[in-house]
Amino acid sequence: SQKIEQNSEALNIQEGKTATLTCNYTNYSPAYLQWYRQDPGRGPVFLLLIRENEKEKRKERLKVTFDTTLKQSLFHITASQPADSATYLCALDFSGGSYIPTFGRGTSLIVHP
Amino acid sequence: DARVTQTPRDKVTEMGQEVTMRCQPILGHNTVFWYRQTMMQGLELLAYFRNRAPLDDSGMPKDRFSAEMPDATLATLKIQPSEPRDSAVYFCASGLGTGKQETQYFGPGTRLLVL
Repeated sequence: SQKIEQNSEALNIQEGKTATLTCNYTNYSPAYLQWYRQDPGRGPVFLLLIRENEKEKRKERLKVTFDTTLKQSLFHITASQPADSATYLCALDFSGGSYIPTFGRGTSLIVHP
Repeated sequence: DARVTQTPRDKVTEMGQEVTMRCQPILGHNTVFWYRQTMMQGLELLAYFRNRAPLDDSGMPKDRFSAEMPDATLATLKIQPSEPRDSAVYFCASGLGTGKQETQYFGPGTRLLVL
């Protein structure tokens, strides 16, 4: 069956460093992959989308890579700030045509001042 | 600033009671999703609608859950009768349904506790 894996352990880093989060998937070739941010008590917020034919996408301090051979996406936050502390979810289109994303469980990022 | 709204934000009820959650999607969005989030299962898709028609509700326990869109500005999710295992945060999301991608805009959620 299709599976999305994100590290369940929180990632703790120091302010100013680059945070790197990983999303691995199995048994499917998604048309696109998205990253969302979720703060406690709030709904997920869309950050970036990368398509299967794109290797890398950037938005301000965010960078996403998509390796369809490794079946992996990396999400980077450069010059991290305590305000970046949140849970980050990846979502992939596993729906075989209807383009409805399936979400991973998310990884918590904690940026220490 | 367009956003998805959900009511109520919090709901505490007793087992066996009916629960109704409401969602107002972003104006102009033609796709509406209902999700349930728990620590154990993460974010699970319960149902979604496009142009008010239900397209998939396979994630929903049919015997007690029902989802409807009476009009383009209102989506409802009902649980009858509610059970303690239904305790979770329920999110509504809407999207433009462009076909090649489905970026979703989430509401703040309804936190449900069934005693």
